[in-house]
Amino acid sequence: EAGVAQSPRYKIIEKRQSVAFWCNPISGHATLYWYQQILGQGPKLLIQFQNNGVVDDSQLPKDRFSAERLKGVDSTLKIQPAKLEDSAVYLCASSLPSPEQFFGPGTRLTVL
Amino acid sequence: AQKVTQAQTEISVVEKEDVTLDCVYETRDTTYYLFWYKQPPSGELVFLIRRNSFDEQNEISGRYSWNFQKSTSSFNFTITASQVVDSAVYFCALEYGNKLVFGAGTILRVKS
Repeated sequence: EAGVAQSPRYKIIEKRQSVAFWCNPISGHATLYWYQQILGQGPKLLIQFQNNGVVDDSQLPKDRFSAERLKGVDSTLKIQPAKLEDSAVYLCASSLPSPEQFFGPGTRLTVL
Repeated sequence: AQKVTQAQTEISVVEKEDVTLDCVYETRDTTYYLFWYKQPPSGELVFLIRRNSFDEQNEISGRYSWNFQKSTSSFNFTITASQVVDSAVYFCALEYGNKLVFGAGTILRVKS
């Protein structure tokens, strides 16, 4: 069974530029999550989707971050414009209707 | 509010030593799940164990064992006879409403 796929694995941009990350969850997993992991910290939930609807985006900085999950399968997370403090690893995870989440390899973003 | 505390920032041991990683959590929910994840240098979070709040039985899986004590709100993780491949960051997490709250992680370095 294929795991959660994410791309790109690494991205370096200048501040004020925009960037997008892509995630393809495990087949059949209805719930998809995006986490931000700043160096030295645990992952922090940004947004949770159930199929193509948003369940929780309370910690998503909506002035610059946006996410969508069209057709209830893969998802994109966008940052526009990026700030220095957005440098982090962005992790995507998916789950069945169960507590266990499966994580992708992450995208490491560096904002210069 | 839900919170997970991993007081040990970094632990260094010599191969074959036993090591215990501490995890203390806070929640007002009576039903919840606790997790441990491993994050090797590759960056992907690897699921190790899930425990629900009604099951306080300790669990052993090979060299890994977990001690769950509701009375002290702790869910500690022990690696017996550590190996170099155990070197990673280990995260404890609390699940509520299909969302995970992570601790800050403990860096484990196992030296040969």
